Amino acid sequence: ETGVTQSPTHLIKTRGQQVTLRCSSQSGHNTVSWYQQALGQGPQFIFQYYREEENGRGNFPPRFSGLQFPNYSSELNVNALELDDSALYLCASSQGDIDGAFGELFFGEGSRLTVL
Amino acid sequence: KNQVEQSPQSLIILEGKNCTLQCNYTVSPFSNLRWYKQDTGRGPVSLTIMTFSENTKSNGRYTATLDADTKQSSLHITASQLSDSASYICVVVTDSWGKFQFGAGTQVVVTP
Repeated sequence: ETGVTQSPTHLIKTRGQQVTLRCSSQSGHNTVSWYQQALGQGPQFIFQYYREEENGRGNFPPRFSGLQFPNYSSELNVNALELDDSALYLCASSQGDIDGAFGELFFGEGSRLTVL
Repeated sequence: KNQVEQSPQSLIILEGKNCTLQCNYTVSPFSNLRWYKQDTGRGPVSLTIMTFSENTKSNGRYTATLDADTKQSSLHITASQLSDSASYICVVVTDSWGKFQFGAGTQVVVTP
């Protein structure tokens, strides 16, 4: 039990729709990162938020966007859904400091998105 | 091309036996290397974190090694148990702000 919770656990959307996924970070953590994991593949880094600011982004188009709130929980938004967006979306929380170093990642159980 | 390559892609071992998983990376710069265990349908769980100066680190029956010169790491599982059946993912962190490069994972199946 990592203390990181994600919702919803499963959802089905159709092409062109928009989706919002939510993540509550572990108490005391100020950094949240998001990952996309296709079936049989390793997670792919989408972006990271540190104290409400995006401070790192992987190779994902702008239709993948996010937010981090003052309580350090976070949202991942995906617009104009495509079939290839079907995947497990994982969030992880960690504690970052002013120098950028941070420690262990604690992952949630993920949100399984299916796009039809 | 993935900058973190893991091998084998999958393996089956008998309960009680040992196995070694490999991770080769080309990622640069290098901050630290991590191994995670991911049970099917669950989030990854950390096993070890190693920085540039560390050659080996153990966590129970899991022992990770790192050769930063050759950019290779291995994860050794001793006396495997059925609960070790999972995907093992190698992650290379490229800078202090944590640009993560994940390998595709090695799927381990432990049979009775």
